[in-house]
Amino acid sequence: DGGITQSPKYLFRKEGQNVTLSCEQNLNHDAMYWYRQDPGQGLRLIYYSQIVNDFQKGDIAEGYSVSREKKESFPLTVTSAQKNPTAFYLCASSTTPQGIQYFGAGTRLSVL
Amino acid sequence: DAKTTQPPSMDCAEGRAANLPCNHSTISGNEYVYWYRQIHSQGPQYIIHGLKNNETNEMASLIITEDRKSSTLILPHATLRDTAVYYCIVRVAPYGGSQGNLIFGKGTKLSVKP
Repeated sequence: DGGITQSPKYLFRKEGQNVTLSCEQNLNHDAMYWYRQDPGQGLRLIYYSQIVNDFQKGDIAEGYSVSREKKESFPLTVTSAQKNPTAFYLCASSTTPQGIQYFGAGTRLSVL
Repeated sequence: DAKTTQPPSMDCAEGRAANLPCNHSTISGNEYVYWYRQIHSQGPQYIIHGLKNNETNEMASLIITEDRKSSTLILPHATLRDTAVYYCIVRVAPYGGSQGNLIFGKGTKLSVKP
């Protein structure tokens, strides 16, 4: 089945540690996105990529980094510079930047 | 900031139609209305979108007023599995130029009750 796979489902970060969230899609979509969701809130855009080897900062990119070396993959690294990383992280993809976005099941990150 | 206004919560009886309103009084002529929903602890799910004509698919119907300043999402026969937060989003969808991200507000929490 085609879709977006995020892993792991739950992740724990120690203080000062970098952690990487995986996002893989087999939908042949060009555009991919990372959003952050805090409890009771809507989604906020962290980074997006319209094409391989290109990505742009969203509204809350500080403390995060991404790469887009393959069309299928868009990993997100939460660095130690992100002082409040506890949140639900959602990856999405679309055929074009203006296309319908389809979401993965999310990764819940907590700080130990 | 989100460009839409939705009630924070609504209840609906199982089997009845759920009508979820959305106000987007500042919508531009080239902006579409999108609806997504998010079941607890899952990723958002696309439901439907439209520009000015009413739209229907297997999940729902979208009614957009003639002046396009508001719209209503209709779930014709709500089930318990439709309990979720429903997001109304307006965005531009011409090819090229826009970064394409969705701006999610807090949405409407729909509770379908037996």
